[in-house]
This record gives sequence, structure tokens and C-alpha cells, in this order.
Amino acid sequence: QQQVKQSPQSLIVQKGGISIINCAYENTAFDYFPWYQQFPGKGPALLIAIRPDVSEKKEGRFTISFNKSAKQFSLHIMDSQPGDSATYFCAAPANAGGTSYGKLTFGQGTILTVHP
Amino acid sequence: SAVISQKPSRDICQRGTSLTIQCQVDSQVTMMFWYRQQPGQSLTLIATANQGSEATYESGFVIDKFPISRPNLTFSTLTVSNMSPEDSSIYLCSVSEGFMNTEAFFGQGTRLTVV
Repeated sequence: QQQVKQSPQSLIVQKGGISIINCAYENTAFDYFPWYQQFPGKGPALLIAIRPDVSEKKEGRFTISFNKSAKQFSLHIMDSQPGDSATYFCAAPANAGGTSYGKLTFGQGTILTVHP
Repeated sequence: SAVISQKPSRDICQRGTSLTIQCQVDSQVTMMFWYRQQPGQSLTLIATANQGSEATYESGFVIDKFPISRPNLTFSTLTVSNMSPEDSSIYLCSVSEGFMNTEAFFGQGTRLTVV
């Protein structure tokens, strides 16, 4: 499986602040980068995803920024809320060819805590 | 998105025994996968469940330890065999339509504790 390296491992943010989580990948053939949110006792839920033909995608308070030359992508959570406290995972295709067909390799995860 | 149900949601098992986990989807899906999430860790892909044929296992996972069945397009099982405490993890079923870079969705997971 291809590697995706995620940082930081944990993040503490005040309510209303911006949370930023970063991921770096190796395979330049990757063509799909999703982010998942996982609450304790639940399965991961797809949050937002981006394809490398765009540099940014925004859905509500969540934005993915993509830097193809640096092989990095980031999740930005604007106006962070206590309800955003969860573990976030970046992911990329698990196939060497770069296309997932639903099969993913995951970053190490970031535990986000938003203080009220 | 598909609704994915896993059973059991949690179990405590004796070492040396086996547990079969079921994954039921409310609609036909092309691809089904099984992941393991060890305590406080990320998700690791175990195998792709193939309908009507043997599953495709990732490096480090073998059929004797994790036999998988997929009799149709809505159902799959994962068995954790001859369990040891190291098998204590969350096991997750994932599905997708199988198109290029389509979304993947997850069940709520089965939390297994081996004592």
C-alpha cells in the first residue's frame, strides 16, 4: 500500500479558530484525495474529497488545499466548533496505478480537540 | 450513499476461538473491503471481498487467519480465526461503486476484544 503521511498527530484549537491538518503523499499518479472524520465508536465518514485538477475545494467550513508540485494536501476547518472534535484521516488510492476504485490507504490520523 | 450494517457491533472473545463479522448493504455495490483499526491507530486494508471468488489479500494478511466470503453484491463476512489478544481491534467494512475514484463508505465497525 502507498504511504500517506499526516500531521500533526493531535491538535487543540479554540472555538472559532482555524484547524489545519496536513498530508503528504509519494505517488504522483494518485488522482483522488478524500478526508474522513471519525467520532469515537463510529466508522469513518467521508467529509470532503479533491481531485488534482483543482487546487482548492470548499464545502461549508471545510476546505481542501492541494499542492501538486509539493505532493501535499491540507484540510482547513474554519470557525472550528466543539462538535468538530474528532479524529480526521486523509487518504489516497491504495493502488500503485493511482486510481482507487474505493480502495484506500490512510494517513495516521489527527485527533482534533476544539475547546469552547 | 449506501447504508452499511455490521454485526456484531462489539464482542469479547476467548483466545483461540473464531468470530465471524457480517456486513450487509442496503443496495448492490461493486466493491467491498475489510479494514482493521487497531486501538488509537489508523485504518489498514485487510482485503478486497470479491463476489463469487476468493478475496484479494493485502501484504501481511492471509486467508487462513481472515477468511472472507462474498456470496452476492450486498453481503460479506470476515472471520477472525484462532484469535489472540493482538487481534483486538475495530474491524470495518467499506463499500464503493467501483468507478474510478468514487467515494468509499464505511460501516460503524465491530469492536473486538480478545481475552
